[in-house]
Amino acid sequence: DQQVKQNSPSLSVQEGRISILNCDYTNSMFDYFLWYKKYPAEGPTFLISISSIKDKNEDGRFTVFLNKSAKHLSLHIVPSQPGDSAVYFCAASKHAGNMLTFGGGTRLMVKP
Amino acid sequence: DTGVSQNPRHKITKRGQNVTFRCDPISEHNRLYWYRQTLGQGPEFLTYFQNEAQLEKSRLLSDRFSAERPKGSFSTLEIQRTEQGDSAMYLCASIKTVGEPLHFGNGTRLTVT
Repeated sequence: DQQVKQNSPSLSVQEGRISILNCDYTNSMFDYFLWYKKYPAEGPTFLISISSIKDKNEDGRFTVFLNKSAKHLSLHIVPSQPGDSAVYFCAASKHAGNMLTFGGGTRLMVKP
Repeated sequence: DTGVSQNPRHKITKRGQNVTFRCDPISEHNRLYWYRQTLGQGPEFLTYFQNEAQLEKSRLLSDRFSAERPKGSFSTLEIQRTEQGDSAMYLCASIKTVGEPLHFGNGTRLTVT
């Protein structure tokens, strides 16, 4: 029972263009959502988060959008840079700080 | 802030052997989490501690798995009688207060042959 799904295992984008990574969840009790980035041989690093009371959160080149009615969130990276190439995980929890449920990840490749 | 430290980085063991991993969280971080990540999947929650108290355990944590945090600082995760299905990356994370995002270590990669 995958409560958090990332249906695109990989995404390839040209440098300077927008990257859009998608995530769907099924548990309506989730109220806090995060995106993590993972480079090979390293642990996941936190990127950006959003609470269910908001529908958008922006931090520099990164913006997360939350559509509660559709149980869908997305991460927009603009402009994309080659250094953004990594695996991106979305995660959700019932309360901020509680144990996270992760999606399966999307590998982003940004081509120079 | 030296980050979450995990040792060893890699462990190769034969089926049936016991293994123990160590996690040193960021100083003064009260909550410590263990996750497991298998190839092509996202991390899966195993257990977490508030100081030395183990507050929640996943159904994934079979009887062969035990975690401790005796003094509320570092934590160990032991797997007894390892099986090939235990092969995975074991990740540790910590936070100081509820509401912060988890800070992950670089993990211990276990290979059971």
